[in-house]
Amino acid sequence: LAKTTQPISMDSYEGQEVNITCSHNNIATNDYITWYQQFPSQGPRFIIQGYKTKVTNEVASLFIPADRKSSTLSLPRVSLSDTAVYYCLVERGKLIFGQGTELSVKP
Amino acid sequence: SAVISQKPSRDICQRGTSLTIQCQVDSQVTMMFWYRQQPGQSLTLIATANQGSEATYESGFVIDKFPISRPNLTFSTLTVSNMSPEDSSIYLCSVTPRTGNRETQYFGPGTRLLVL
Repeated sequence: LAKTTQPISMDSYEGQEVNITCSHNNIATNDYITWYQQFPSQGPRFIIQGYKTKVTNEVASLFIPADRKSSTLSLPRVSLSDTAVYYCLVERGKLIFGQGTELSVKP
Repeated sequence: SAVISQKPSRDICQRGTSLTIQCQVDSQVTMMFWYRQQPGQSLTLIATANQGSEATYESGFVIDKFPISRPNLTFSTLTVSNMSPEDSSIYLCSVTPRTGNRETQYFGPGTRLLVL
């Protein structure tokens, strides 16, 4: 099973771009990279998923280098409501959650 | 996407009793999972609920403690048996819709359990 490593916490200010990097050295050929967001007292919410290069949706962008051993979630112009825990996962079929990154956005 | 509801949303239970948590989805799904999230911690996968057969449990979780049912493609239950204070946690159901990538899961709101 591919293990992920990401920073435990990050601080940012409103309006800034936030980049959270996740390393997954043992990623398998068929693994997708998926990011989830979790607010307090809620279940995790799917943000974005990718396999290689770059993926962008209305919420975030995901950058994946050619070797796929890491990925970077980019949140443009964060607001206070983006304060949450962000999880990077690379499992197939079932999701094994790591510790996640606690993002704190300050005014 | 899929809309998932869980019942109860929260409960306070006495040591030694059992609680059954229900997970209902508004559409047929392929996979259903049960997770536990203890205060301040990440999510831990308990088991995969298989329709028509026994659930597949992760290491550290057993059927006698966490019996699971999945009678159809939209419903599952998790029972926390013979509870102790260590079982106090949030229990979450998640599903993989029939359409879309298997890695995309949708989570229910969770059931907050406190065992006294």
